[in-house]
Amino acid sequence: GESVGLHLPTLSVQEGDNSIINCAYSNSASDYFIWYKQESGKGPQFIIDIRSNMDKRQGQRVTVLLNKTVKHLSLQIAATQPGDSAVYFCAENLSAGGTSYGKLTFGQGTILTVHP
Amino acid sequence: DAGVIQSPRHEVTEMGQEVTLRCKPISGHNSLFWYRQTMMRGLELLIYFNNNVPIDDSGMPEDRFSAKMPNASFSTLKIQPSEPRDSAVYFCASSALGGLSEKLFFGSGTQLSVL
Repeated sequence: GESVGLHLPTLSVQEGDNSIINCAYSNSASDYFIWYKQESGKGPQFIIDIRSNMDKRQGQRVTVLLNKTVKHLSLQIAATQPGDSAVYFCAENLSAGGTSYGKLTFGQGTILTVHP
Repeated sequence: DAGVIQSPRHEVTEMGQEVTLRCKPISGHNSLFWYRQTMMRGLELLIYFNNNVPIDDSGMPEDRFSAKMPNASFSTLKIQPSEPRDSAVYFCASSALGGLSEKLFFGSGTQLSVL
């Protein structure tokens, strides 16, 4: 039969615009979340993380927002640049009993395309 | 700093052949993960080691897949016999679990094509 691949959400923005990438996570008990960026031909690269006791964390040009009520995570990229074009993955982790378990569950990813 | 090092970068083999993928984690990291990435299923965790001991291999597809970590600086993922449906990018990642962050550092992956 014919195989069907994942249909990743896509986001196209102009250079200089702000980008918002959204993610719905699955486990209400997850207490640690990470955003990864994957460029073509490369492995996922860490961008920013956040623990469940926070609702916002800022990095350099990036901000992660966490809404535990609706199990939603977002990544905001300020002044998006062509080099930001990539697939962005959110990942969640359930730390068992305070000991880091490390089993990250990844979302399907969002394709970000930045036009000059 | 040398990141996670995987070899080979590309592997093309014929159905039925044995394939061995290699990984050197970041020095000092105590956990190592093997992931598989396909268009159909995205990123899937295959197996996870902590202090060289396999902790969770529930993601290993079937008995044709095996992974070892003989020491803290080396791991292999073996497929025997390989099948076309094993074609994917296989990533190794390492982490210093037990600290303040569980973030994984990924290698560049091995692109496997089974003909």
